This record gives sequence, structure tokens and C-alpha cells, in this order.
Amino acid sequence: DSGVTQTPKHLITATGQRVTLRCSPRSGDLSVYWYQQSLDQGLQFLIQYYNGEERAKGNILERFSAQQFPDLHSELNLSSLELGDSALYFCASSVGEGGNTIYFGEGSWLTVV
Amino acid sequence: QQQVKQSPQSLIVQKGGISIINCAYENTAFDYFPWYQQFPGKGPALLIAIRPDVSEKKEGRFTISFNKSAKQFSLHIMDSQPGDSATYFCAASMVGNQFYFGTGTSLTVIP
Repeated sequence: DSGVTQTPKHLITATGQRVTLRCSPRSGDLSVYWYQQSLDQGLQFLIQYYNGEERAKGNILERFSAQQFPDLHSELNLSSLELGDSALYFCASSVGEGGNTIYFGEGSWLTVV
Repeated sequence: QQQVKQSPQSLIVQKGGISIINCAYENTAFDYFPWYQQFPGKGPALLIAIRPDVSEKKEGRFTISFNKSAKQFSLHIMDSQPGDSATYFCAASMVGNQFYFGTGTSLTVIP
């Protein structure tokens, strides 16, 4: 158990809908990262937050947004969902802003039908 | 631009053999190089990591070899076991920056 908690574990929704994925980082970690992993694909970096502020942005679609709250948990919002958004979404956390270990959660499986 | 390039994409090794996965990076400012192991349906888990002030780090059957001048690092799995069958990702990072992951290597260890 990495200490990073993600909910929900599984989610099935229809095209055009909006979903929110939630992440609680490890105790004491200030950074939260979001990654997308499609079937047989690598880890696509979406976005990073540090202590509530956006720090880095990757290949995140305009339909997606995220935020980190004062209690350090983070949410990833996915809207106007398309079939191609079906993937495993990982949250990871670390103490600092990089340069040290990041710990991954178990992921949220999103299936868009 | 791919900051970290990983090869091979897939690897099949006999039980007891040595598995070798290679990575190359571009940015000389990177100062942290971890390897992650991922089983199907699970999140990646840290396996072993190295900083550029050492050329090798060993933890059990897993060894990272680091060549700073060539900007390359590799993972060696000695006495590979079927339970090692997983996807392995290398990564590079530096303080104040995001993590850059390789594209992953699917390792299959044949009994």
C-alpha cells in the first residue's frame, strides 16, 4: 500500500458525461501528479500540483481540469467524455516538487461507453 | 521531445537469466533516476532509484547501472523469476520539475 488513495476504483459512464476522480496523497506529501494510462500504453503525464498551485502541465486536454484543495487532496475533472478517454487514471504524490520518489495510487479505471 | 527513451519495448527471458532494460536521457540537470515496476491493473511501484553521484546501486537481484557521460542508465534483474513478469518504467526528474517516464518495457520470464 503506497498510502495514496484514489476513488472511485472503477467507473462506467456514457459519452458526453462528466466525471470527477479524487485523490488523497500520502500523509505529508505536498505534490500531486495525475497520469493517464491507456491500454498497453505508457504513462502520460497530465498535470502536477504543489501545495495547491499548478506546477507543470503535460498533455492534458482542454476538456480536463484539476485542482488541489487546501487539505491537499486533488480532483481531476473530465468532461464531454469521449470513447477515447477510457483509460486508467493514476494519481501520485511526493514530498517535494520533483527530484525524489513519487508514490502511485492504485488508479481509477474509467470506461466510457 | 521524448526526454527519456527506453528500450526494448518487450523482453522475454528464461527463468534464471538476466533481464536488461536500458534508458537514455537528454537533460543533464536530471538528478534522480527511479525504476518502477507495474503489474496489470495496479499502480507503478518504486523498485530502485539512483542519483548521478554513484555509478551503480544494487538491491537484492535488482541493479541500476548509471553512465553519466553517456547519459544512460539501465536496470539489470539477475536470476529472473516468473514473478518478475511485469512492465518496467524508467524515469528521470530533478527538484522543481516533473517526472519524465520512459515508454515502458514488458518483461516476460518463461519458467
